[in-house]
Amino acid sequence: KNQVEQSPQSLIILEGKNCTLQCNYTVSPFSNLRWYKQDTGRGPVSLTIMTFSENTKSNGRYTATLDADTKQSSLHITASQLSDSASYICVVRSGGYQKVTFGTGTKLQVIP
Amino acid sequence: KAGVTQTPRYLIKTRGQQVTLSCSPISGHRSVSWYQQTPGQGLQFLFEYFSETQRNKGNFPGRFSGRQFSNSRSEMNVSTLELGDSALYLCASTKDGGPGDEQFFGPGTRLTVL
Repeated sequence: KNQVEQSPQSLIILEGKNCTLQCNYTVSPFSNLRWYKQDTGRGPVSLTIMTFSENTKSNGRYTATLDADTKQSSLHITASQLSDSASYICVVRSGGYQKVTFGTGTKLQVIP
Repeated sequence: KAGVTQTPRYLIKTRGQQVTLSCSPISGHRSVSWYQQTPGQGLQFLFEYFSETQRNKGNFPGRFSGRQFSNSRSEMNVSTLELGDSALYLCASTKDGGPGDEQFFGPGTRLTVL
């Protein structure tokens, strides 16, 4: 059964600090992995997409990594800001149309 | 370019009633997918429509149904509502729904069943 597990479930950090969110998946076959940011009361917004051949990809202060051998991905946030407070969802596509598996997300709270 | 819009944003219904939610995709997008999001289960895939045809379906009971119109707008219907149907319902549109396509999500419809 395809599964995506994220850790931690929730996280509180001080403004300006860095943090790393984890995503482990057992989805097969693997097509790509996306990280989404979901602000409270809003729909998710894509931060980055990782394909099999990519190890690292950055989008501003967000850096995603992918280890296809161990089936792990991480999202690193540098110099956190209050606006980073949101849920971060890892989504793995296994190929074809809409063969997607969602993680349950990590809820990040950045405090002053 | 306008984003994905969903109406209504909030809805309160009682058990046994039915409800219809609407989604307007980004102009030019032909694939619309629907998801249910609850705190405990995360995002669960309901179904996907492409060119007025249901192309994929998740593991939800037949009380959940949908359709897509020729202008790509989509509706989702839930009949005989149950308390457990309380959730945020999100729709997402993509150009064709292919593996590399980015899904653009709407703001969601918050459904509360009393």
